[in-house]
Amino acid sequence: GAVVSQHPSRVICKSGTSVKIECRSLDFQATTMFWYRQFPKKSLMLMATSNEGSKATYEQGVEKDKFLINHASLTLSTLTVTSAHPEDSSFYICSARASPNEQFFGPGTRLTVL
Amino acid sequence: GNSVTQMEGPVTLSEEAFLTINCTYTATGYPSLFWYVQYPGEGLQLLLKATKADDKGSNKGFEATYRKETTSFHLEKGSVQVSDSAVYFCALSDRTGANSKLTFGKGITLSVRP
Repeated sequence: GAVVSQHPSRVICKSGTSVKIECRSLDFQATTMFWYRQFPKKSLMLMATSNEGSKATYEQGVEKDKFLINHASLTLSTLTVTSAHPEDSSFYICSARASPNEQFFGPGTRLTVL
Repeated sequence: GNSVTQMEGPVTLSEEAFLTINCTYTATGYPSLFWYVQYPGEGLQLLLKATKADDKGSNKGFEATYRKETTSFHLEKGSVQVSDSAVYFCALSDRTGANSKLTFGKGITLSVRP
């Protein structure tokens, strides 16, 4: 199947700093990518839908100024957590849509904010 | 709104045991239903899906039948293997094409012992 990568896989940062997470579709082009957040023992929560060449669509309750999304090419979307705080510590997962009803998921990024 | 409810875990089975993981959903209209699997250290992978009532999805010995009357999509396997140890997510999508989004259950961890 199609491959989606995320970088970094794990990041530790100090409170107040910003962190950028990359999501790449390695062998297909994706006009749409999704960003999820996964809390311990909870389901994946969709944060936003990233559309190539246009603004991301954020789910209700997700701060767009806090979680900046850029989808500058058909193979790359980035999520920047700005002024991170300990409550932002989580597992962030991206996916890329390869066809109307199929998404391929990245391996996730573990963010720890001290 | 849409929601997916999975049975509480974790589940621990002996090799060759029968597996059932329950999943029920709430959705408007006629959603598509999915089971995703996440092996340790990897991203989510689509295991199987069903797009309409009474459809049966199957893959790698796993099966699930779309039951509209009980709004369920339970996952079954007749004889589990150690390599089936993973986290299993039930999900639904209530739209098609460009507007499709996934709603996930909380996931359940399956451990299979030799």
